[in-house]
Amino acid sequence: DGGITQSPKYLFRKEGQNVTLSCEQNLNHDAMYWYRQDPGQGLRLIYYSQIVNDFQKGDIAEGYSVSREKKESFPLTVTSAQKNPTAFYLCASSKGAGLAGGRETQYFGPGTRLLVL
Amino acid sequence: KQEVTQIPAALSVPEGENLVLNCSFTDSAIYNLQWFRQDPGKGLTSLLLIQSSQREQTSGRLNASLDKSSGRSTLYIAASQPGDSATYLCAVLNAGGTSYGKLTFGQGTILTVHP
Repeated sequence: DGGITQSPKYLFRKEGQNVTLSCEQNLNHDAMYWYRQDPGQGLRLIYYSQIVNDFQKGDIAEGYSVSREKKESFPLTVTSAQKNPTAFYLCASSKGAGLAGGRETQYFGPGTRLLVL
Repeated sequence: KQEVTQIPAALSVPEGENLVLNCSFTDSAIYNLQWFRQDPGKGLTSLLLIQSSQREQTSGRLNASLDKSSGRSTLYIAASQPGDSATYLCAVLNAGGTSYGKLTFGQGTILTVHP
């Protein structure tokens, strides 16, 4: 069963704590993305990776970090520097790298809701 | 900077009605436009993708049109059903500017179809 999985479904963060959101895909896609969704707003791009061991900042990268050590995995860390982390986080992937890959449909995971205690 | 706007923000209709959701974008330099569906607390599902050279795409009861020069797209849903209730998002893949190669999303239209 191919697809994108995200875990956990809900995550609670204490003040000053770093937390990591997991994203795994078995679609053999080169490109992966992290988005943040706030109520009443569209998705905003945090980070994206077009190939293993490479990633670029999106529009709202401050307070977040990522790694891409394996093709199938793209974890997102929400650091203590992110002062307003409460949101719904969505991971996505697409087939190819670079512009050709970016023209194709992005497939989305089920999301992780992050809440602050 | 690309901006995508969706109108209306929310729509409530009785079952069986035909309806139109609107999406507008400010920069016509796009590669494609996509319509997504999002159920509450879930991820996004792609409904239709229109390449910039195309005028429309159809899938079942859904029809999406694209007028790149005027920066507009519409999603037409025929014979709406309660199962169509969801948030509908449109997104453009940018071909220029600081958002080159990235998707820009609208804020979505919340659709409720009541029996």
